[in-house]
Amino acid sequence: GAGVSQSPSNKVTEKGKDVELRCDPISGHTALYWYRQSLGQGLEFLIYFQGNSAPDKSGLPSDRFSAERTGGSVSTLTIQRTQQEDSAVYLCASSLDSMRTEAFFGQGTRLTVV
Amino acid sequence: DAKTTQPPSMDCAEGRAANLPCNHSTISGNEYVYWYRQIHSQGPQYIIHGLKNNETNEMASLIITEDRKSSTLILPHATLRDTAVYYCIVRPWGYGGSQGNLIFGKGTKLSVKP
Repeated sequence: GAGVSQSPSNKVTEKGKDVELRCDPISGHTALYWYRQSLGQGLEFLIYFQGNSAPDKSGLPSDRFSAERTGGSVSTLTIQRTQQEDSAVYLCASSLDSMRTEAFFGQGTRLTVV
Repeated sequence: DAKTTQPPSMDCAEGRAANLPCNHSTISGNEYVYWYRQIHSQGPQYIIHGLKNNETNEMASLIITEDRKSSTLILPHATLRDTAVYYCIVRPWGYGGSQGNLIFGKGTKLSVKP
């Protein structure tokens, strides 16, 4: 596609359930980023993938959060045993590489844990 | 943690230049200065980036001080649609680990007023 695509756009889940959020980056982009944004807050970095390098997981808030990037393309962010404080907009971005190119953002997945 | 400091908010009159400052006193030689903005309820949008020379594109100009410890984003003729949160980011370029990562701070909320 022309841009970064995220699905679903909205997700309501019950506390304690697992959720998977999907990100389709722009074709050919080797760098992929995940962020979350709580209401009225800034962007909180979660995880960063660059090519075949080990991902930078330093932003993951707990071991309930994990992410994969299969075949260097699609990425899935998984949240296990969701809590109400996980409610936020989860944003994905991709860039051609990690050098001097801009990152393009998707429109995000709004996650609500009830 | 973000390596930049920005004022939390600024106002600008429509049609006037908006000058948004950013301090990055601990910037390293391999780090670029990037600017993004986020209009309400949308994903962040790339504006401009630079290393040490001043840069200009169709959206804005970026002025970086000679010692690279601070920069200013200039929107030459602000419009109401420029009302957004503006993020200044220092991004290390390279591969592996945190190289190429984009860590957002709290940004500056710019309000353009008629």
